[in-house]
Amino acid sequence: EPEVTQTPSHQVTQMGQEVILRCVPISNHLYFYWYRQILGQKVEFLVSFYNNEISEKSEIFDDQFSVERPDGSNFTLKIRSTKLEDSAMYFCASSGLAGGVGEQYFGPGTRLTVT
Amino acid sequence: GESVGLHLPTLSVQEGDNSIINCAYSNSASDYFIWYKQESGKGPQFIIDIRSNMDKRQGQRVTVLLNKTVKHLSLQIAATQPGDSAVYFCAENGGDSWGKLQFGAGTQVVVTP
Repeated sequence: EPEVTQTPSHQVTQMGQEVILRCVPISNHLYFYWYRQILGQKVEFLVSFYNNEISEKSEIFDDQFSVERPDGSNFTLKIRSTKLEDSAMYFCASSGLAGGVGEQYFGPGTRLTVT
Repeated sequence: GESVGLHLPTLSVQEGDNSIINCAYSNSASDYFIWYKQESGKGPQFIIDIRSNMDKRQGQRVTVLLNKTVKHLSLQIAATQPGDSAVYFCAENGGDSWGKLQFGAGTQVVVTP
């Protein structure tokens, strides 16, 4: 069964450093998403991406965040200058249906720890 | 400082019994709803979805009920098994066409033998 994969599973970084979280969505999907989940809290939407551009972003997704699909398979989330409050699980998701409404399949997540 | 997490409501169910997990959604514009299961240390796993033109949908051992009048969603799990122990989230799309999902706080289901 196809699945979303994410690397690394755990990333530790110092405050102010740049991090890149990587995702390989399901191959025939068209829509890609990043969500985050701070420990013990609900899953929060960050950004959606379609046709090589951001289609929607939340207020969390400020100028420190960016996303890219550098090739036909990878989807990345970059945080330029990490803050302590960026520590969270970051989940990538993808869906295949036109219009973006459809089953979103989530990856296993990357645990980001900012020290 | 000390971080404060959500105090998840917990549903304790005996193995073999049926479970009912409830969710009140907030956005009357939402027309698509999903239930996700999240096991410790893993990403949300899709269980079942329902669109607003339906009030009931069944899957394998699971049924989702939607009551748009009171903005209520429920997930029924038949013959609950130990592997069903997890946190269950409902999510709504807020009428958004780009797939943005708004997640609820979650319910912890604990299956006891």
